[in-house]
Amino acid sequence: GAGVSQTPSNKVTEKGKYVELRCDPISGHTALYWYRQSLGQGPEFLIYFQGTGAADDSGLPNDRFFAVRPEGSVSTLKIQRTERGDSAVYLCASSLSRHNEQFFGPGTRLTVL
Amino acid sequence: QQQVKQSPQSLIVQKGGISIINCAYENTAFDYFPWYQQFPGKGPALLIAIRPDVSEKKEGRFTISFNKSAKQFSLHIMDSQPGDSATYFCAAATMRVTGNQFYFGTGTSLTVIP
Repeated sequence: GAGVSQTPSNKVTEKGKYVELRCDPISGHTALYWYRQSLGQGPEFLIYFQGTGAADDSGLPNDRFFAVRPEGSVSTLKIQRTERGDSAVYLCASSLSRHNEQFFGPGTRLTVL
Repeated sequence: QQQVKQSPQSLIVQKGGISIINCAYENTAFDYFPWYQQFPGKGPALLIAIRPDVSEKKEGRFTISFNKSAKQFSLHIMDSQPGDSATYFCAAATMRVTGNQFYFGTGTSLTVIP
């Protein structure tokens, strides 16, 4: 079946703008994760959803970052008033449940000019 | 603060050789230690994982060695092949009730020379 998909694959925006990044998890996966990966670094945890609710959002860096998963499937990561430091690859992963293997999407490369 | 420290940053190995990547952690609450392989432009993919109740796990050419007392674990790639050239990340997690945070190392770029 299809893996985790993320759109867009690349996003270029200007400082101060609002962006939305989308994640389509593997069908039936109840757990969904967002990570941020800066150049030359490992993925950094942002938020974890179990179903529709954010079970752990302790990795969100500040209140400019917000994520939703209204129907327990697709998730959107929203970044307000983007800053140049937000430039990174944003990865989404899903798993059957929180105890199972995480499958990563290809990521969205965000560039803030 | 880096929860998981990984070394080396880069590694060059001849085809057929053994690649060894090391990781160390401090938080004794971690109870799941996976290794991921990442190719350029792709997301990380799970390679092999271990729980702290065993000292070694082998899957094909890939072996994890785990030292609970030293809080260290390593990935060994036997008979390294050019197709193994990728970036490898170790990670650690606590499979607790309210969350499931994974902490990743900074990555090791492996190049296997034909």
